[in-house]
Amino acid sequence: GAGVSQSPSNKVTEKGKDVELRCDPISGHTALYWYRQSLGQGLEFLIYFQGNSAPDKSGLPSDRFSAERTGGSVSTLTIQRTQQEDSAVYLCASSLAGQGINQPQHFGDGTRLSIL
Amino acid sequence: GESVGLHLPTLSVQEGDNSIINCAYSNSASDYFIWYKQESGKGPQFIIDIRSNMDKRQGQRVTVLLNKTVKHLSLQIAATQPGDSAVYFCAENTGGFKTIFGAGTRLFVKA
Repeated sequence: GAGVSQSPSNKVTEKGKDVELRCDPISGHTALYWYRQSLGQGLEFLIYFQGNSAPDKSGLPSDRFSAERTGGSVSTLTIQRTQQEDSAVYLCASSLAGQGINQPQHFGDGTRLSIL
Repeated sequence: GESVGLHLPTLSVQEGDNSIINCAYSNSASDYFIWYKQESGKGPQFIIDIRSNMDKRQGQRVTVLLNKTVKHLSLQIAATQPGDSAVYFCAENTGGFKTIFGAGTRLFVKA
């Protein structure tokens, strides 16, 4: 069955450029999450979507980061004016979780972003 | 693939031995706990979960133990195999969507 799909799998870009990362969650999963993982680190929460709305944007590191989700499915994470410290693996996950409903998250294999 | 967790706590075990990976969680209100396995170049993969009304749950070759008194979670892997080499993350959830991940432990399995 189809899991969480992320694209591109690798992205190399110059400092100052904008990048857009895409996540296609498991069909029917209402919750979608974005995380960032730097080398040697754990998972840093960025943003959470329930349907198309984002009740928790607390993890976005700066106003250069934004995310949207349309049709309750595909999500894009956009980083504007990229900086070298943005280099990391960006992971997307989806789940059936909702308020008061605990379910595990299912992850994609991430986008490896390198800023030159 | 890209290495994950170069500076993480490391557990090294002999193939065939049992492994125990420990995790201290932070929030006494957490009521759902999950273990994930992350291989190099891949996203975390769900292994097993446990709810706070239980203290033990078994899967295939894996057992999760929960001690709410001391806020401690452990993952036991029986007859560890080379394919079990990975970084293991514990995670806690306080209801619904917000999940907090631990720092991770790297497991090395020696053949």
